[in-house]
Amino acid sequence: DTGVSQNPRHKITKRGQNVTFRCDPISEHNRLYWYRQTLGQGPEFLTYFQNEAQLEKSRLLSDRFSAERPKGSFSTLEIQRTEQGDSAMYLCASSSRGPDEQYFGPGTRLTVT
Amino acid sequence: AQRVTQPEKLLSVFKGAPVELKCNYSYSGSPELFWYVQYSRQRLQLLLRHISRESIKGFTADLNKGETSFHLKKPFAQEEDSAMYYCALRPGTYKYIFGTGTRLKVLA
Repeated sequence: DTGVSQNPRHKITKRGQNVTFRCDPISEHNRLYWYRQTLGQGPEFLTYFQNEAQLEKSRLLSDRFSAERPKGSFSTLEIQRTEQGDSAMYLCASSSRGPDEQYFGPGTRLTVT
Repeated sequence: AQRVTQPEKLLSVFKGAPVELKCNYSYSGSPELFWYVQYSRQRLQLLLRHISRESIKGFTADLNKGETSFHLKKPFAQEEDSAMYYCALRPGTYKYIFGTGTRLKVLA
């Protein structure tokens, strides 16, 4: 297991298009987080899964954003009708039940033109 | 409002000098606080958490509830400490709130 993986690493899309990102957590981790990070800012919490249940979602997340974690394994984050303001690094992190250290993936950099 | 403030965007120190990265938080309950670090071209990773009261790579951080601070300190900076440092607050069960980060540059 090489850690949390995210695909794609980079995505360039035109405004109005839909995009989907994938996160594969560390295999025994039941907790999964999505964050967004823009230039000069820290990671901003988007949503949290415990197994397949989405237990918390940021109020900052508009209806254009949706996340899933079917079967409690990998997760996907979809952004519909992308806007230029969605350009950011999207980070995924996972952790196990006991210690709550989050292990971060490399991120997916989204550029909306 | 729940908030983490890191007042310095950039901190430059000479090798061997003491380092203090400031972090202040706003939260009315009992906080759980963390420091995360991102070295160049690497992933964000946990450096330390206040409940562990541990020293990692020579860094320590003490929670001061009176001043609502969780400053990161190291007595003698090393060049390999150069990185981006983020303070994070976990106000509830799941959500984490990160500060804007401080870039530490250790000069030879």
